[in-house]
Amino acid sequence: GQQLNQSPQSMFIQEGEDVSMNCTSSSIFNTWLWYKQEPGEGPVLLIALYKAGELTSNGRLTAQFGITRKDSFLNISASIPSDVGIYFCAGQLPSGTASKLTFGTGTRLQVTL
Amino acid sequence: KAGVTQTPRYLIKTRGQQVTLSCSPISGHRSVSWYQQTPGQGLQFLFEYFSETQRNKGNFPGRFSGRQFSNSRSEMNVSTLELGDSALYLCASSLGGANVLTFGAGSRLTVL
Repeated sequence: GQQLNQSPQSMFIQEGEDVSMNCTSSSIFNTWLWYKQEPGEGPVLLIALYKAGELTSNGRLTAQFGITRKDSFLNISASIPSDVGIYFCAGQLPSGTASKLTFGTGTRLQVTL
Repeated sequence: KAGVTQTPRYLIKTRGQQVTLSCSPISGHRSVSWYQQTPGQGLQFLFEYFSETQRNKGNFPGRFSGRQFSNSRSEMNVSTLELGDSALYLCASSLGGANVLTFGAGSRLTVL
């Protein structure tokens, strides 16, 4: 099945550092979402983006919906240990519904003290 | 407010058997979607049910099926299990329409 190209695949950073990850596709999406998954849990929604160019923040997290509608990025500022997890982007195709999402390959984030 | 509840959380089956997984959505949510998560393929959409009707289907063989009950609870079934069916099966619910998904913790299936 299709997956979005997400990079980097993994990151090892020190507490307090900023983090940036992005997601690209050859297809246009109507909606971009960012989820975080921790071990033993399902993905939890962090940020939802509905319009090209939209920039949205949720605490230390900021995400943007690319102008071309084919990409999105997520920034985490001043990382803390509880930011550890796998971050997934997800997109909704124009032909799809909000329930039928295409997910990225994931970025595994490790934070060291 | 209770979240999405999936049962069982873990199960082990052998090839050729069948399995049924259950999902109770958030109260008031009428849409239930199922995803398969594997290390190789990531998260892949299986199907969506809304008001007891399958509304969307992903690219999975007919061995994968589901249903939704009048109380919005959903089950998915996998028949004639194969080793490659080992995965975390995630259920997600929403109000429907453009509302975002809330995922459960998943059912981890191991096929031996």
